[in-house]
This record gives sequence, C-alpha cells and structure tokens, in this order.
Amino acid sequence: AQKITQTQPGMFVQEKEAVTLDCTYDTSDQSYGLFWYKQPSSGEMIFLIYQGSYDEQNATEGRYSLNFQKARKSANLVISASQLGDSAMYFCAMREPYYNQGGKLIFGQGTELSVKP
Amino acid sequence: GAGVSQSPSNKVTEKGKDVELRCDPISGHTALYWYRQSLGQGLEFLIYFQGNSAPDKSGLPSDRFSAERTGGSVSTLTIQRTQQEDSAVYLCASSPFWDRPKLYEQYFGPGTRLTVT
Repeated sequence: AQKITQTQPGMFVQEKEAVTLDCTYDTSDQSYGLFWYKQPSSGEMIFLIYQGSYDEQNATEGRYSLNFQKARKSANLVISASQLGDSAMYFCAMREPYYNQGGKLIFGQGTELSVKP
Repeated sequence: GAGVSQSPSNKVTEKGKDVELRCDPISGHTALYWYRQSLGQGLEFLIYFQGNSAPDKSGLPSDRFSAERTGGSVSTLTIQRTQQEDSAVYLCASSPFWDRPKLYEQYFGPGTRLTVT
C-alpha cells in the first residue's frame, strides 16, 4: 500500500537560512506524483510544488525546490532564504494513479516549521 | 479567479444531530475530493467525484456519511447522527484533472471545522 513518511514532527530555522523537510514514500506504481502543501494556522492547504515520477529534473517554484531521489524514494522539500511567513505545517503527499479514486492524495503526518527572527 | 469555497467555516452540533457541509469547486474543475483532517488520523481521503458520475463510497468511514454532487458542480457531505469522533476539519479540493500542465493538481478550500459536543 502507498505510504508517505515525514519523520520530522517539528523543525526550527533561522530567518534567511535554507531548510530541508524530509519525505519518503512507498509505492509499487510506476506512475505517481508527489506534492508539497503548506498549511498555515488559518487552516487552508496551499499547493507549493509538484514532481511527477517521470520528471527527470527536480521541480522548482520560486524559493521552493523538490529534491527528488527516485531510487531512494525520497522527495525532500528545500526552502531557500526562509521568511517569517514560512512558519506553518508542511505536508508531503503522493497522488495515487488516476484510476484509483481519481488520483486521491495520501498525506504524511506533517512537519511543523518555525522560522526564528 | 475564485478558489474553492466551503460553508459553513465552523459548525458546532450536538451528538446525534445531522449536519451538511457544502463545497463549491473552482469553475470548470471536473474532479472534486473530500478529505478529513483530525488529530488522531491526520489527513484522510473520504470520497471523489468526477463530473456527475456515481462516486466510489469505499473511503467513507461509516454508513452515516454520504455525499452528493449536483450538476457536476456543488457538492454536499452529509453526516447523520453525528458522533464525537466525527469532530474534524473537512476539506474539499477540486482539480481540472485533464488540463495539462496542471494535471491532477488539487486545489483545496479553507475547510469546515466540525465540533460535535
């Protein structure tokens, strides 16, 4: 069965420094997608970045990049130049194949990031 | 443009009462998903709709839960005879599904926080 593991319940980072949030996954499918979402205290899930299993290059979106290591089944999120507004809960998620409930998302337990001034 | 909207934002109900939660997806998005976020279970998938097609209900936690989608747009999640373990944040997401390059991306609403007393 598909599974997402985030081993860091909480992380601290100094403002303007880079931080890496870990995510490993387990799947027997060849086609899948990996997402990172940010959930601030307001509760809304904000899409950050997506990596497809067949994408050869690591995804980047502004200050966010996804370090995709397929053989190790890891999809770590790197946030460069942390800002105070980055303090939030971060979820790694894997998309099931589309024929399984329309590609439903399986989420990890989340990592709470706190950015220190 | 307008994002996914959900109503109510907060709902407090007494044990045993029925509740209805509403989701308005992004216009033109054919796929709609319901998830639940609770302290004990994390984020879990509930049900998926593609257009007007009948959903697979296997992800619903009990037969007290039902959902419908009218006109391929608005969806309602109904919980009958609510129990305290139903207390959670109920999140709705929509997806363009087949619209490249945002294939399978899911956009979340702000959620409905349900408290059963």
